[in-house]
Amino acid sequence: DSGVTQTPKHLITATGQRVTLRCSPRSGDLSVYWYQQSLDQGLQFLIQYYNGEERAKGNILERFSAQQFPDLHSELNLSSLELGDSALYFCASSEGTGGDREKLFFGSGTQLSVL
Amino acid sequence: GENVEQHPSTLSVQEGDSAVIKCTYSDSASNYFPWYKQELGKRPQLIIDIRSNVGEKKDQRIAVTLNKTAKHFSLHITETQPEDSAVYFCAAVDAGKSTFGDGTTLTVKP
Repeated sequence: DSGVTQTPKHLITATGQRVTLRCSPRSGDLSVYWYQQSLDQGLQFLIQYYNGEERAKGNILERFSAQQFPDLHSELNLSSLELGDSALYFCASSEGTGGDREKLFFGSGTQLSVL
Repeated sequence: GENVEQHPSTLSVQEGDSAVIKCTYSDSASNYFPWYKQELGKRPQLIIDIRSNVGEKKDQRIAVTLNKTAKHFSLHITETQPEDSAVYFCAAVDAGKSTFGDGTTLTVKP
């Protein structure tokens, strides 16, 4: 167990809908990252938060948004869902203070299926 | 931004043989290079890492080497076992942002 908690584990929804994915980081970690992994694909970086502030942005669509709350948990909101958004979404956390304190601990992921 | 290239994309070896996966990065500011292993249907997990001030690090059957001048780093697995079969991702980290390679699917045949 990595200590990173993601909910829900599975999500099935229809095109055009909106969903929220939730992540609780490891105790003491200040950074939260979101990654998208499509079938047989690599890890596509979406966005990173550090202590409540956005720190880095990757290839995140405008239909997607995220935030990190004062208790350090994070939510990823996906709206106007399309079939191509079906993927495994991972959250990861790290201490976030440089060097090997950037090692990532991944949650078990949320499998999103858009029908 | 940082770009990480990983080779090969697939690798098949016989049990007991060695496996080598190579990555190159573009941003000389990257200073931390972790490797993650992702078994089928599971989360990626850190297996070994190296900082930019170190040239080599070893942990039992796994080793990582770093050549800062050439901007490449490699994962070496010796005496491979069937349980080493997985997807391996390299990453280069700069200012807290991890850029991943596309992954290598390693298959170890018994």
